[in-house]
Amino acid sequence: EDQVTQSPEALRLQEGESSSLNCSYTVSGLRGLFWYRQDPGKGPEFLFTLYSAGEEKEKERLKATLTKKESFLHITAPKPEDSATYLCAVQAPTDKLIFGTGTRLQVFP
Amino acid sequence: SAVISQKPSRDICQRGTSLTIQCQVDSQVTMMFWYRQQPGQSLTLIATANQGSEATYESGFVIDKFPISRPNLTFSTLTVSNMSPEDSSIYLCSAVGWRDYGYTFGSGTRLTVV
Repeated sequence: EDQVTQSPEALRLQEGESSSLNCSYTVSGLRGLFWYRQDPGKGPEFLFTLYSAGEEKEKERLKATLTKKESFLHITAPKPEDSATYLCAVQAPTDKLIFGTGTRLQVFP
Repeated sequence: SAVISQKPSRDICQRGTSLTIQCQVDSQVTMMFWYRQQPGQSLTLIATANQGSEATYESGFVIDKFPISRPNLTFSTLTVSNMSPEDSSIYLCSAVGWRDYGYTFGSGTRLTVV
């Protein structure tokens, strides 16, 4: 069965304290792995798509990496405005996205 | 990527009634999806909205409860029928376009059933 697991469920960081979020997946025929940011009361906002093991993408303080079984979202020197829930999703061969339960990140000044 | 307008943004409904949620995309898209997000939870796919044909429903979701229409390449509706308090949730529309593979989401409809 296709499955996505994210850890930790919640993460509290001091401003400037770098860390990583993990997304482990099992899917038959991965077509893409997606990272989203979701703020309270809003829909998910697209961050990255990764397609193959070894691929990396960066955007400001965020960097996403992909292996054959997991993906990491690295946050370098986070700021309070990075506080949000970060969602990982895998694209199954049917093109539907299967989401993990998310990591709630809080960054304190 | 496509921009999605979803309405209403929120509603409070009486149990036993139905609510139709509209999703309008600003460009033609290949696929459209409807998700449910219960409080504090992640997104669960309800169905894939197929243009000109019946939607494809995920396990646990049925057409009688969640009828979906997609009359063209830019518009879809989801109806939540015969509502009960358990249907209180956020409902999200998503679409993927022709030239990029990013899945865009609407801002969601926050439904409360009383």
